[in-house]
Amino acid sequence: QVQLVQSGAEVKKPGASVKVSCKASGYTFTSYDINWVRQATGQGLEWMGWMNPNSGNTGYAQKFQGRVTMTRNTSISTAYMELSSLRSEDTAVYYCARGGATVTTFDYWGQGTLVTVSS
Amino acid sequence: SSELTQDPAVSVALGQTVRITCQGDSLRSYYASWYQQKPGQAPVLVIYGKNNRPSGIPDRFSGSSSGNTASLTITGAQAEDEADYYCNSRDSSGNHHVVFGGGTKLTVL
Repeated sequence: QVQLVQSGAEVKKPGASVKVSCKASGYTFTSYDINWVRQATGQGLEWMGWMNPNSGNTGYAQKFQGRVTMTRNTSISTAYMELSSLRSEDTAVYYCARGGATVTTFDYWGQGTLVTVSS
Repeated sequence: SSELTQDPAVSVALGQTVRITCQGDSLRSYYASWYQQKPGQAPVLVIYGKNNRPSGIPDRFSGSSSGNTASLTITGAQAEDEADYYCNSRDSSGNHHVVFGGGTKLTVL
């Protein structure tokens, strides 16, 4: 069965960086895009960007351009999302999600990783 | 960029039909996908494309689209359908970018 398992919760200080991992299993990792979506407490979903694990091509939401980097290690079927220059407003649950039949079809999601930014 | 607008909250009596809407210019060109999210859980895809349900999603969930509005309809709402619902779509600029609606809290009375 398809699974996306994310790394554990992180606590970071303002200005630091965080790198969240997303390990895929149950399907061919390089055949489906990986998207990253975040959700602040009590707020809605916010799309951050996508990555094609086969080519490594990426696309980032304008809001995160220059601060986010999405990479992968195909040998271990793992995607990564690194966010730099953290501020308190980046405190949120970060999800990875597999891209499905269309660009906007996110058919499997990771369990989420809570990133807390606090001094 | 593009924006998708959803009503913040909708309620429905148990067993009745409810429609949750999503408005935005990009919906004139692209289909919306719909996600259900219960407290403390990751979102779950319920509708994608013209009106497609992933395996395991009950057939009481359906989708439709007209002009700049996409709709998610639940026919015969159940108590377990109480959740937040989000639409998403491609950015109207035509690139690979995605935008989510603000979400609708569905209460089943």
